[in-house]
Amino acid sequence: EVQLLESGGGLVQPGGSLRLSCGASGFIFSTYAMSWVRQAPGKGLEWVSTISGSGASTYYADSVKGRFTISRDNSKNTVFLQINSLRVEDTAVYYCAKDGGSRIQLWYRQYWGQGTLVTVSS
Amino acid sequence: QSVLTQPPSVSEAPGQRVTISCTGSSSNIGAGYDVHWYQQLPGTAPKLLMYGNSNRPSGVPDRFSGSKSGTSASLAITGLQAEDEADYYCQSYDSSLSGWVFGGGTKLTVL
Repeated sequence: EVQLLESGGGLVQPGGSLRLSCGASGFIFSTYAMSWVRQAPGKGLEWVSTISGSGASTYYADSVKGRFTISRDNSKNTVFLQINSLRVEDTAVYYCAKDGGSRIQLWYRQYWGQGTLVTVSS
Repeated sequence: QSVLTQPPSVSEAPGQRVTISCTGSSSNIGAGYDVHWYQQLPGTAPKLLMYGNSNRPSGVPDRFSGSKSGTSASLAITGLQAEDEADYYCQSYDSSLSGWVFGGGTKLTVL
């Protein structure tokens, strides 16, 4: 059974930083791309970032490029999202997802974690 | 404004059929990229409902079906049940943005 467990969310002031983690189990972690998707309170889903199975390729939404960094540790079955220069509009539940699909443009979010809340406020 | 356009809400009576549209453009759905659908029940994480336009993951009832044509896609739900009341999101890849995009979501109400 695929399980994804996010952690690291919390309350942070504008301009601050957080590191989100997502521990995975139930599949061969290193062979799958992983993604982060966020959802602001009462709003829809927004793709944030994706990393390939090896970690060699990373992809970012324009809204977070230059401020967020995705990485993974395949020895620990964990994917990370380093979020810097936080803004009020970054307030959201951040979901970790295991990707499915045969090639990058066809990737989809196959399994989702329960999410971790990031609140940016002074 | 979402790159993929969905109706904000749809409603139908139990047992009936409802469709949710997802309209894109030549840089995403119209470019041939697959459309995927997610269901988000109230207070829970999203769940994959349909992938590759019309494929159901294991465990998803065949009351759910998907299709794609041109720059649009649709999710159809037949034999509506109260438990289908949820938010539904479409997703595809956009070559202009070099990334994945979601629709704004559609809230399904089962009357």
